[in-house]
Amino acid sequence: KQEVTQIPAALSVPEGENLVLNCSFTDSAIYNLQWFRQDPGKGLTSLLLIQSSQREQTSGRLNASLDKSSGRSTLYIAASQPGDSATYLCAVNSGGGADGLTFGKGTHLIIQP
Amino acid sequence: DGGITQSPKYLFRKEGQNVTLSCEQNLNHDAMYWYRQDPGQGLRLIYYSQIVNDFQKGDIAEGYSVSREKKESFPLTVTSAQKNPTAFYLCASKAGGEQYFGPGTRLTVT
Repeated sequence: KQEVTQIPAALSVPEGENLVLNCSFTDSAIYNLQWFRQDPGKGLTSLLLIQSSQREQTSGRLNASLDKSSGRSTLYIAASQPGDSATYLCAVNSGGGADGLTFGKGTHLIIQP
Repeated sequence: DGGITQSPKYLFRKEGQNVTLSCEQNLNHDAMYWYRQDPGQGLRLIYYSQIVNDFQKGDIAEGYSVSREKKESFPLTVTSAQKNPTAFYLCASKAGGEQYFGPGTRLTVT
């Protein structure tokens, strides 16, 4: 059964720093991987989708990489801002006969002004 | 505006009552999903539907039921058989491999 782990569980950094959030998964046979942002009490906002054949995706100050063979993905946030404060969730779609995403527990990020 | 709507935002029920959560999308997506989120845990898949009039159990389907009579709608019923129904419920739809989420419904059962 696919399991997704996110490290660290929480992170607090000063504004302006570059930072990396980590995601690992146990079964490398994935269809794609998606990074989300969740603000308190809200739904999820999709940040980046990486297909299994891709190595990275970029959107503005965000860059996500995927190393399928080692079961790892990283989300890089450049020049962090207080508005980046949120919980970041990693999720994998393992495809096959079952559909749906398997989620990690998230990294709670605080950017200090 | 295209998107996914869930209503109500907050829902309160007494133990032993069934309750139905609404999920509507105008994105013309075929696939729809229901997830449950509990504090300190990742989201877990309850049910999904890849096409109208068809749906499949996810990892934690016990105590829940769904229907998919229209492409736009995928309501979730939390039955009295669900032992721990208090949670944040999220609906999603999918296109091109990417899932899009609604704002969620927080259900409290006392």
